[in-house]
Amino acid sequence: AQTVTQSQPEMSVQEAETVTLSCTYDTSESDYYLFWYKQPPSRQMILVIRQEAYKQQNATENRFSVNFQKAAKSFSLKISDSQLGDAAMYFCAYRGSWYNNNDMRFGAGTRLTVKP
Amino acid sequence: EPEVTQTPSHQVTQMGQEVILRCVPISNHLYFYWYRQILGQKVEFLVSFYNNEISEKSEIFDDQFSVERPDGSNFTLKIRSTKLEDSAMYFCASIQDSNQPQHFGDGTRLSIL
Repeated sequence: AQTVTQSQPEMSVQEAETVTLSCTYDTSESDYYLFWYKQPPSRQMILVIRQEAYKQQNATENRFSVNFQKAAKSFSLKISDSQLGDAAMYFCAYRGSWYNNNDMRFGAGTRLTVKP
Repeated sequence: EPEVTQTPSHQVTQMGQEVILRCVPISNHLYFYWYRQILGQKVEFLVSFYNNEISEKSEIFDDQFSVERPDGSNFTLKIRSTKLEDSAMYFCASIQDSNQPQHFGDGTRLSIL
């Protein structure tokens, strides 16, 4: 079974600084998708960024970028120029290829605090 | 932008009672999901639904749970006889095709007394 591990229960960053959230996963598949979701106190699940495993290029979305290391099964999220609104729980998620399973498996989350 | 809509936002139910959580997925989406998040814990997959039938379910989704798409727009999760440990946030999600990320609703907070 696929598992997703987020080893940092909590992280903090100074406003305008950069922070990296770690995520590793375990899978025997070669084709899959990885996601980072943000969950603010309102508890909505907001997609931050996604990465297709077949793409070597790291995904970037404005201030958010990933470091995808397929061989190491690592998928970290970098937040640049951190803003107060970035404070939230961040969940890393894995979804397998369509023909295997299409549900998402989530990590335990990292609570990010942004200090003014 | 189209959204997944969930109602109610908060449901309070006595233990042992039946509860139905409702979701309206995005209209052209074909695949539907329910997830659960116990307070302070990670989001857990419950069930996926496609072509009017369950395509996959987790070990959490036991005989007390059922899903239905009764009218082509709503997607419901029923818990037959609620237990205290069913208290959680329940998220509905949908996608149009396998290449897209799942769109989540805002969740229903279920409180079992």
